[in-house]
Amino acid sequence: DAKTTQPNSMESNEEEPVHLPCNHSTISGTDYIHWYRQLPSQGPEYVIHGLTSNVNNRMASLAIAEDRKSSTLILHRATLRDAAVYYCILSGAGGTSYGKLTFGQGTILTVHP
Amino acid sequence: DTGVSQNPRHKITKRGQNVTFRCDPISEHNRLYWYRQTLGQGPEFLTYFQNEAQLEKSRLLSDRFSAERPKGSFSTLEIQRTEQGDSAMYLCASSLDGPRPQYFGPGTRLTVL
Repeated sequence: DAKTTQPNSMESNEEEPVHLPCNHSTISGTDYIHWYRQLPSQGPEYVIHGLTSNVNNRMASLAIAEDRKSSTLILHRATLRDAAVYYCILSGAGGTSYGKLTFGQGTILTVHP
Repeated sequence: DTGVSQNPRHKITKRGQNVTFRCDPISEHNRLYWYRQTLGQGPEFLTYFQNEAQLEKSRLLSDRFSAERPKGSFSTLEIQRTEQGDSAMYLCASSLDGPRPQYFGPGTRLTVL
């Protein structure tokens, strides 16, 4: 599985934007970039995913570098409820190879009031 | 739809006993996944099903672990002759085919005494 590298922790203030980086220099052409987050004592929660183009949804935006070797999850206005561990994961597409998610250590996001 | 449900939420057992967990996925999802998470670590993939077929099993899944999804709906994960090292949160997720989000349940926390 292609690996991702994320900072161990980041801090933000409430109502400010947060940019969470992820490096994935060994990404293959068919790997999707996924972001999940996990709040304390809960199962992981899907945030966003993309292949090549930038993606937006109601939770966040995903900015993907042109060479796809890095990406950034953008939370436009952090709230206290966004404090969680954020995981950047690559997963291949097609047939039975697509499926499992390989979680790393993730980035612990702390949001200050 | 109420999302992915898991039962029981907590299980305490003595070493050597057998335990079984149940996962009910989102109804139209044909893929179902099991993960295990220990304290301070990201979830680790155990196995996944497409409909009733078990398509991939992790090397983490020893012979004491077995999973079934008999009619392509709910799934069970059984651990035989539990060991203290099996203590963890067992997470279930479901999704549609392809590069789609996985939706996680709340998990079953297993404590082996």
